[in-house]
Amino acid sequence: DIQLTQSPPSLPTFLGDTVTITCRASQSINTYLNWYQQKPGEAPKLLIYLTSNMQSGVPSRFSGSGSGTEFTLTIRGLQPEDFATYFCQQSYSSPYTFGQGTSLEIK
Amino acid sequence: QVHLQQWGAGLLKPSETLSLTCAVSGGTISGHYWNWIRQSPDKGLEWIGEIDRSGSTQYNPSLQSRVTMSVDTSKTQFSLKMVSMTAADTAVYYCARGRVFGAVLPRTWFDPWGQGALVTVSS
Repeated sequence: DIQLTQSPPSLPTFLGDTVTITCRASQSINTYLNWYQQKPGEAPKLLIYLTSNMQSGVPSRFSGSGSGTEFTLTIRGLQPEDFATYFCQQSYSSPYTFGQGTSLEIK
Repeated sequence: QVHLQQWGAGLLKPSETLSLTCAVSGGTISGHYWNWIRQSPDKGLEWIGEIDRSGSTQYNPSLQSRVTMSVDTSKTQFSLKMVSMTAADTAVYYCARGRVFGAVLPRTWFDPWGQGALVTVSS
């Protein structure tokens, strides 16, 4: 199975900050990497698919980049509703796997 | 807009069988693959498997021996059964829409998701 390692596990940050979350794959996954946001008590919500494509309705302050084994999710100008946990997921090969998550916390 | 509503027993004893169903509304079940995913503090998010409109399935090899998925296109529902449940299977179970039917496997992302069902396995 392809392992995905996210860093950091948690990220204390201020409103208005720009943050970058990294997801590293145990082997090359081309650009088959998706990002999700999860708030407490809710199901994950798709943010970005195929590395850099924004899901409909997702604010433009979210962006994704990368290829091969290293990927990033960037959030510019953090808003109160952005404090949540973010997961990456690879779809290069089955079984589909997820990263362990990065929790954004208010500093 | 597609909406997924799931239900099933939430408390099981060890060795019992999990049974969950997910109803699709606002869209057709024929156009996509349909997935089950679970989430626990220990293992994080874990993909269980997917099923298409014809009942063709693909399971996570780590769970394959215990999992059966089925689909009822007339009711626009799909279901999950997992046998021989243990405490290690305690998790929130989600249903989710996956890739477009006929699309290549790598074009798989999950959207939308059901509301989730907490399944606890305890004697």
